Amino acid sequence: AQKVTQAQTEISVVEKEDVTLDCVYETRDTTYYLFWYKQPPSGELVFLIRRNSFDEQNEISGRYSWNFQKSTSSFNFTITASQVVDSAVYFCALSEGLIAGTYKYIFGTGTRLKVLA
Amino acid sequence: DVKVTQSSRYLVKRTGEKVFLECVQDMDHENMFWYRQDPGLGLRLIYFSYDVKMKEKGDIPEGYSVSREKKERFSLILESASTNQTSMYLCASSKATVNTGELFFGEGSRLTVL
Repeated sequence: AQKVTQAQTEISVVEKEDVTLDCVYETRDTTYYLFWYKQPPSGELVFLIRRNSFDEQNEISGRYSWNFQKSTSSFNFTITASQVVDSAVYFCALSEGLIAGTYKYIFGTGTRLKVLA
Repeated sequence: DVKVTQSSRYLVKRTGEKVFLECVQDMDHENMFWYRQDPGLGLRLIYFSYDVKMKEKGDIPEGYSVSREKKERFSLILESASTNQTSMYLCASSKATVNTGELFFGEGSRLTVL
């Protein structure tokens, strides 16, 4: 069965520290997509990144970077020089293909990141 | 600005009441989803729909039903609310494409059942 595991329930760091959020997934699909979402205290989930299973290149966007490794079924997220505004719950998600153009999205349990000033 | 709008941010209902949670999206998305979010459990899929009048059960459909009469609107119904349905409910939508699109979420509806 498809599954996403975020083993870190809560992480606290001091501002300007780097932090990595782990995500491990299980899937039987050969084509799939992985996502990261941020849920700030306001509650609305915000899309951060999408990655397909054929593209293992790491991606960097400003202070954010993602490391996708199919060999270990992991899609980890690193925030460099963390800031207080990064405090949020972060969710990793996996797509499960159904009929053409339709997908389910399976979410992990989330990691709460607290960045202390 | 594209948007998924949930009708109520906060609701308080009594056990046994019928509850309607409404969700509207303005992006012409084919797929719509209802999740519930509980501490330590992440987001769990209740129901989803990939077309008007179509619905599919998610992982925890018991005690819920849905309605999709129009493409832009997806309603979640609790026929007889119970205290264990106290939760945050999140509606989301996505485009039906060959390459999986991202989900767009509403702000959530926090339901308390007394």
